[in-house]
Amino acid sequence: NAGVTQTPKFQVLKTGQSMTLQCAQDMNHEYMSWYRQDPGMGLRLIHYSVGAGITDQGEVPNGYNVSRSTTEDFPLRLLSAAPSQTSVYFCASSQGGLMNTEAFFGQGTRLTVV
Amino acid sequence: SQQGEEDPQALSIQEGENATMNCSYKTSINNLQWYRQNSGRGLVHLILIRSNEREKHSGRLRVTLDTSKKSSSLLITASRAADTASYFCAPSRSYIPTFGRGTSLIVHP
Repeated sequence: NAGVTQTPKFQVLKTGQSMTLQCAQDMNHEYMSWYRQDPGMGLRLIHYSVGAGITDQGEVPNGYNVSRSTTEDFPLRLLSAAPSQTSVYFCASSQGGLMNTEAFFGQGTRLTVV
Repeated sequence: SQQGEEDPQALSIQEGENATMNCSYKTSINNLQWYRQNSGRGLVHLILIRSNEREKHSGRLRVTLDTSKKSSSLLITASRAADTASYFCAPSRSYIPTFGRGTSLIVHP
């Protein structure tokens, strides 16, 4: 059971380039979310999804797009990377329901935009 | 915003001592969770306490919740060097946790 898998682990982009951060979970969880973590800022919610075909914005959505075509996958797209998007990105999933709100996290993608 | 605010931001103790971290929040919640993050890695769930619970234990962890004061505390008893990590609370009304800046705990051997 792999849990939440993020790829790549490290990435360097040039300003203006686009890329997709991949996130996949094999636990059949309905809820998935993306966070970014900057030094001293904790984790900030970028986008989240409550099921296939349903996404919504979090605290810091600008510059990022998401889609959820399957239960398993929740990719995060940077359309035109900016140095301000240099950060560590975490994907998480949870089953939902009052008895099952524990979130499982991937190991992160460390992104540098130069 | 539902996110919690952890206090203190940093805590340094000796092995064997107890470590107490606090969390305050502003909105009503269904539950509050505590997570741990080892340096540079993903968060790991430690414990969940529901809004109708006042105290919960898990091994060396003790969590309290006071909904009237909108606050929670995490106590780690008999700390070990391996407990060195950042700790985050996540007060929640939904299934998507949101986080504050965390408490950075250093346990000196």
